[in-house]
Amino acid sequence: AQTVTQSQPEMSVQEAETVTLSCTYDTSENNYYLFWYKQPPSRQMILVIRQEAYKQQNATENRFSVNFQKAAKSFSLKISDSQLGDTAMYFCAFMKPYSGGGADGLTFGKGTHLIIQP
Amino acid sequence: NAGVTQTPKFRVLKTGQSMTLLCAQDMNHEYMYWYRQDPGMGLRLIHYSVGEGTTAKGEVPDGYNVSRLKKQNFLLGLESAAPSQTSVYFCASSRGQGMSTREQYFGPGTRLTVT
Repeated sequence: AQTVTQSQPEMSVQEAETVTLSCTYDTSENNYYLFWYKQPPSRQMILVIRQEAYKQQNATENRFSVNFQKAAKSFSLKISDSQLGDTAMYFCAFMKPYSGGGADGLTFGKGTHLIIQP
Repeated sequence: NAGVTQTPKFRVLKTGQSMTLLCAQDMNHEYMYWYRQDPGMGLRLIHYSVGEGTTAKGEVPDGYNVSRLKKQNFLLGLESAAPSQTSVYFCASSRGQGMSTREQYFGPGTRLTVT
């Protein structure tokens, strides 16, 4: 079974600063997918960024980028030029390729509550 | 295009009552999932379906049943609700098996309280 660990329950930074959220995972799989989801107070789950394990290049989406270290099983999220609207819970999630057997679906960490201060 | 919708948005049940949560998607997705989210926890998978007429257990299936009679709908049933099932329930769907098609689209959630 896979596990995902987010060691920072809460973080607070000033607007316009850069912040990095940590995520580590444990798996025996060689190929898999990693995701960061954002959950604002509205409760809606919003995909921020995704990474395929066999791709060495780190994914980037505008102000969001990841540092994927496969050997270390680490997948951190960097938010540049943080904005007030970035205030939310952030969840790291893991998913295996579907194999036709065994459990499917996302395995989530417990989340990091990110607060952007004005 | 409504995406993934969930009915109802809120519900209060008494212990022992039954209810069904409805998830509907209009994206013609093959895969559908039910998760629960408890305070201080990430989402945990209850059941999932890889196509019409199929269902399978996830991480925390006890006390729940599901059905996928139509491709666009995925129902989650609680036969005899317990206070431990107080949670926020999320439905999600995804198109297929490849990376670009595995992205899960989530519904807005249902807050269920069992007293």
